[in-house]
Amino acid sequence: KAGVTQTPRYLIKTRGQQVTLSCSPISGHRSVSWYQQTPGQGLQFLFEYFSETQRNKGNFPGRFSGRQFSNSRSEMNVSTLELGDSALYLCASSQGIGEKLFFGSGTQLSVL
Amino acid sequence: GDSVTQMEGPVTLSEEAFLTINCTYTATGYPSLFWYVQYPGEGLQLLLKATKADDKGSNKGFEATYRKETTSFHLEKGSVQVSDSAVYFCALSAPNNAGNMLTFGGGTRLMVKP
Repeated sequence: KAGVTQTPRYLIKTRGQQVTLSCSPISGHRSVSWYQQTPGQGLQFLFEYFSETQRNKGNFPGRFSGRQFSNSRSEMNVSTLELGDSALYLCASSQGIGEKLFFGSGTQLSVL
Repeated sequence: GDSVTQMEGPVTLSEEAFLTINCTYTATGYPSLFWYVQYPGEGLQLLLKATKADDKGSNKGFEATYRKETTSFHLEKGSVQVSDSAVYFCALSAPNNAGNMLTFGGGTRLMVKP
């Protein structure tokens, strides 16, 4: 069974641009969560989707948004990029609520 | 709000040494507690978990006991190997969590020397 797949693996953008990151969960998993990982702030929860509905949202500005499609694949979008958005963005999937989370290898975003 | 505090690293040990990584939490009610491990260039993997007080989670020689009285979930291993070198994260899931949201500690880097 394929694991959680995140694309692209690396991304370089400039300030003011927008970016879209993609996450394909493990087959059969309906829950997808996103986390931002930085050396200074550690791992911070962004949002979670279950069956195309946002269940939880972390404390991030409205520039950060996400969505989930009917096949459970998820995308997150960051508009008007800032230098501080440089981070490793991790996606995790699970079969349902309270089930084990499986993490992807992440997308490393660098904002110049 | 909920929070997790874990000892800062790096922790450097020789092979076969005893490992303890401290983790304490602040949460309303009784959260579920987790340890995740991150190897270089990879995402996080669940190492072990405990869902109620006095539960002991264990996996691959690692253990952690849910201590309600001290709000702690310290990670231990009796004899570390070079292959255990990684970053370890303590995390909690709040009891009123409608989903799978986790609150993580800052991570502790473990380096094991041969």
